[in-house]
Amino acid sequence: GENVEQHPSTLSVQEGDSAVIKCTYSDSASNYFPWYKQELGKRPQLIIDIRSNVGEKKDQRIAVTLNKTAKHFSLHITETQPEDSAVYFCAASVRGTASKLTFGTGTRLQVTL
Amino acid sequence: NAGVTQTPKFRILKIGQSMTLQCAQDMNHNYMYWYRQDPGMGLKLIYYSVGAGITDKGEVPNGYNVSRSTTEDFPLRLELAAPSQTSVYFCASSYPTGLSYNEQFFGPGTRLTVL
Repeated sequence: GENVEQHPSTLSVQEGDSAVIKCTYSDSASNYFPWYKQELGKRPQLIIDIRSNVGEKKDQRIAVTLNKTAKHFSLHITETQPEDSAVYFCAASVRGTASKLTFGTGTRLQVTL
Repeated sequence: NAGVTQTPKFRILKIGQSMTLQCAQDMNHNYMYWYRQDPGMGLKLIYYSVGAGITDKGEVPNGYNVSRSTTEDFPLRLELAAPSQTSVYFCASSYPTGLSYNEQFFGPGTRLTVL
């Protein structure tokens, strides 16, 4: 089955700096890659996703890039703010498999003042 | 819309007890999922369903059972609870549009402790 690895497990940046979280996947048939943000004690919430027919997607301060050849994708957060502090999860899904998601182990992002 | 709802929010079980975690959605979503999240870890799929009457195992199904008698409800049953089942359980739903993908919406979670 699919295996998703995520790095780093923790990341501390100063407010205003950029943060980058990287994920690799094993199944070349995976073609949907969402990113979820989970605040302490809360449910995961989708912040951005990308499909395999595009290489990059941007939404304000958040962007995701996908390299299908290398089987990795990354989340980029620019101009970080304290409210960006949370755990971020990447995931991968294969078309035709009931949209099941395989999650990475998460990155705890801490934005310091 | 209430979205995805889960009950209870918290529960403490003794080893060997059984319980049912409830999940309901009012978005007319066909697909529903149960995940568990252990401390400091990602989410692992327990069971999923693509519609009423259809369920299938995920990555970690042992010790659990599900049923899907209606589109709205997807309860998760724990039989003979064990300490290894201490976790936070999330239910999610999504509505597939043809072969495209749609966001999975998560419920607020149930925090279960087995002592």
